[in-house]
Amino acid sequence: SQTIHQWPATLVQPVGSPLSLECTVEGTSNPNLYWYRQAAGRGLQLLFYSVGIGQISSEVPQNLSASRPQDRQFILSSKKLLLSDSGFYLCAWRGVDQPQHFGDGTRLSIL
Amino acid sequence: QKEVEQDPGPLSVPEGAIVSLNCTYSNSAFQYFMWYRQYSRKGPELLMYTYSSGNKEDGRFTAQVDKSSKYISLFIRDSQPSDSATYLCAMSARDAGNMLTFGGGTRLMVKP
Repeated sequence: SQTIHQWPATLVQPVGSPLSLECTVEGTSNPNLYWYRQAAGRGLQLLFYSVGIGQISSEVPQNLSASRPQDRQFILSSKKLLLSDSGFYLCAWRGVDQPQHFGDGTRLSIL
Repeated sequence: QKEVEQDPGPLSVPEGAIVSLNCTYSNSAFQYFMWYRQYSRKGPELLMYTYSSGNKEDGRFTAQVDKSSKYISLFIRDSQPSDSATYLCAMSARDAGNMLTFGGGTRLMVKP
């Protein structure tokens, strides 16, 4: 069966520091991969999605970036975090003609 | 106006009640409809997935889609305290899950 892992589960970072969040999927090949941000009491905002290695589409211009160095690995990064980057970050995957499945997220607090 | 509207709640019901959760949407191109359950500090978990109009049942859960009214519902029978969570509706136009539009979520509390 397929599983998705995100780490770390929680992260506290100072303003201006770099960021790297990792997401990996097991048990499937060539999944579509997604990064979302969920603000408190609000819906999910799609940040990036990827249909293959090295293929990244950005939905929202910001100081975050994403990379997909391997088929089942998706990384969310920032060179300098802003206070507004605080939130709950979710990674998701999907197979062909299947709904999206989510990881358990990373809660990011910027101080 | 948001593309998908969902009452944020909280909705508080006694254990054993029938719960009705709803979303309305404006984009008539939506064809695929999903319900996710999200526990506090966890990621959303897929509960139900339907295509086009009609009903789908899975245990205590029934998903209903009325495309003519642009209205979808999730019914929970014999609700349990373990059903206490936020329920998110999501929908897509082109295929099952590529570009989803989410509602803001309804927080449900089932009291023993």
